[in-house]
Amino acid sequence: GAVVSQHPSRVICKSGTSVKIECRSLDFQATTMFWYRQFPKQSLMLMATSNEGSKATYEQGVEKDKFLINHASLTLSTLTVTSAHPEDSSFYICSASSRTWGHEKLFFGSGTQLSVL
Amino acid sequence: AQKITQTQPGMFVQEKEAVTLDCTYDTSDQSYGLFWYKQPSSGEMIFLIYQGSYDEQNATEGRYSLNFQKARKSANLVISASQLGDSAMYFCAMREGPRGSARQLTFGSGTQLTVLP
Repeated sequence: GAVVSQHPSRVICKSGTSVKIECRSLDFQATTMFWYRQFPKQSLMLMATSNEGSKATYEQGVEKDKFLINHASLTLSTLTVTSAHPEDSSFYICSASSRTWGHEKLFFGSGTQLSVL
Repeated sequence: AQKITQTQPGMFVQEKEAVTLDCTYDTSDQSYGLFWYKQPSSGEMIFLIYQGSYDEQNATEGRYSLNFQKARKSANLVISASQLGDSAMYFCAMREGPRGSARQLTFGSGTQLTVLP
């Protein structure tokens, strides 16, 4: 199946710093990328949806100025957690779909565990 | 109302036996898709099986089958011949909207499956 590469897999940062998470589609064009957040023992909650070349659409309650999403190319989307605080510590995971296969399939990155000290 | 309900927080099954993980959903859309994902402790989301709302046959993928009962709005996952490597968190998810639409997945709360030797 298609591969979505997500980096870094784990990051520890100090409070107040910014962290960038990258998701790359390796063998397909990801026309749409979804960013999810998952707290321990809980389900995945959608944060935002981004279409290549467009501004991301954020879910209610998600601060767009804090979680900056860029989807500038068909193979790369980034999520930047700005001025991170301990409450931002979570597992972040991206998923990509493509117009090529009618968005029938969604492939996930391997996730990023963010720990803010 | 919850869109996806998984009522079993945890399940145990003996190795080589079959197990059914329950999932019910709620939508007013006529066209939707139902997915099952496996999430091992490493965090990655592994796609298992997909069922479209208009598919007449229950989906099967190897040892996985989806018991789709549209009138009851249930989409239970059946794993046959359980293996130790099947121990993981299992999520049921739904995408609302017609085929080909780039819509996000809504996830259930998950079921932690433990396969006993």
